Amino acid sequence: DAGVIQSPRHEVTEMGQEVTLRCKPISGHNSLFWYRQTMMRGLELLIYFNNNVPIDDSGMPEDRFSAKMPNASFSTLKIQPSEPRDSAVYFCASSWGKETQYFGPGTRLLVL
Amino acid sequence: QKEVEQNSGPLSVPEGAIASLNCTYSDRGSQSFFWYRQYSGKSPELIMFIYSNGDKEDGRFTAQLNKASQYVSLLIRDSQPSDSATYLCAAFYGGATNKLIFGTGTLLAVQP
Repeated sequence: DAGVIQSPRHEVTEMGQEVTLRCKPISGHNSLFWYRQTMMRGLELLIYFNNNVPIDDSGMPEDRFSAKMPNASFSTLKIQPSEPRDSAVYFCASSWGKETQYFGPGTRLLVL
Repeated sequence: QKEVEQNSGPLSVPEGAIASLNCTYSDRGSQSFFWYRQYSGKSPELIMFIYSNGDKEDGRFTAQLNKASQYVSLLIRDSQPSDSATYLCAAFYGGATNKLIFGTGTLLAVQP
């Protein structure tokens, strides 16, 4: 079975540009999580969806970040405008309810 | 503020030795605890979870939980160079949040 799929795997952009990260969760999973990982802060939860509905977005750093889940098989995380401090690895994870979370390969974002 | 604390390491052990990784958590409301392994440049992958006080064994890995002391540990027996990675401890908070709070990880280096 395919795991969590993320695209792109790498993204290099200039400050001020819009960045869109994409995630396809494991089929049948009803919970989806977006995380950001940096050396300084480790792995941080940005937002959590359950049955396509955002449940907890308390980790979203500011209004420049937004996330959507239009259906059970697709989610996006958008940064507009991007800033150099947004450079990080962004992971998407999915689970069935409160069961184990499975992580995608991540998107390495570099904002110049 | 829910926090999970880990020593960043590196923890260096010789091949064949027992590696002991430790984690403390701040909120007694945590229901279960997860250990993830993350190789450099890769995504976190689940090793095991524990939710009851005591020990839980899975192959060369043993997770230990002491809720009174708010302490979780992971023992790796017969350590191999392939075990060299960062080990992330995470506390799970259920209810409406369904949230995993991660520590910053401990880097383990197994010397051949």
